[in-house]
Amino acid sequence: DGGITQSPKYLFRKEGQNVTLSCEQNLNHDAMYWYRQDPGQGLRLIYYSQIVNDFQKGDIAEGYSVSREKKESFPLTVTSAQKNPTAFYLCASKDGLKLFFGSGTQLSVL
Amino acid sequence: GQQVMQIPQYQHVQEGEDFTTYCNSSTTLSNIQWYKQRPGGHPVFLIQLVKSGEVKKQKRLTFQFGEAKKNSSLHITATQTTDVGTYFCAGDTSNSGYALNFGKGTSLLVTP
Repeated sequence: DGGITQSPKYLFRKEGQNVTLSCEQNLNHDAMYWYRQDPGQGLRLIYYSQIVNDFQKGDIAEGYSVSREKKESFPLTVTSAQKNPTAFYLCASKDGLKLFFGSGTQLSVL
Repeated sequence: GQQVMQIPQYQHVQEGEDFTTYCNSSTTLSNIQWYKQRPGGHPVFLIQLVKSGEVKKQKRLTFQFGEAKKNSSLHITATQTTDVGTYFCAGDTSNSGYALNFGKGTSLLVTP
């Protein structure tokens, strides 16, 4: 079954803690993206990667980090420097000009 | 930077009424895409418009791209409860599409 898998579905972070959100795709897409969604807001781009071992900052990259060691995987780390991390995080990959989204991870602060 | 403005933010209609959401960009777009997100779900691609003045239909949904390629609209005829969700437009200023700019979305509520 092809698609994009995000895990976990729900994640809780303590103060000062780094947490990593997983994103895996078996669609053989080169480009992958991380978006943050807050209530009543659109999707804001955190990071994107067009190819393995390369990634660029999006509009709100501060407090986040990523890696792209494999084509299939694009994990996002929310660091302690991100002071307002509570949000719905969406990973996507691109086929042509079309984005395919994972089911998202809801991150909350304890 | 490029901004994509979308209105209205919310729309509540009775089943059977029509619905329209509008997107406007501060810059010319190479293409615009529309996505639907059901409550508790993730955005799902609906359509892409590329040509100036383009109109595309999907059953009860009609999508338009303005002549200047700076605005777009989605019109739903005779809404149904299955249309409930948030509709996002996403504009691209380059054909690479490496980073779409999403509007804030229009949340549609349809009551029977």
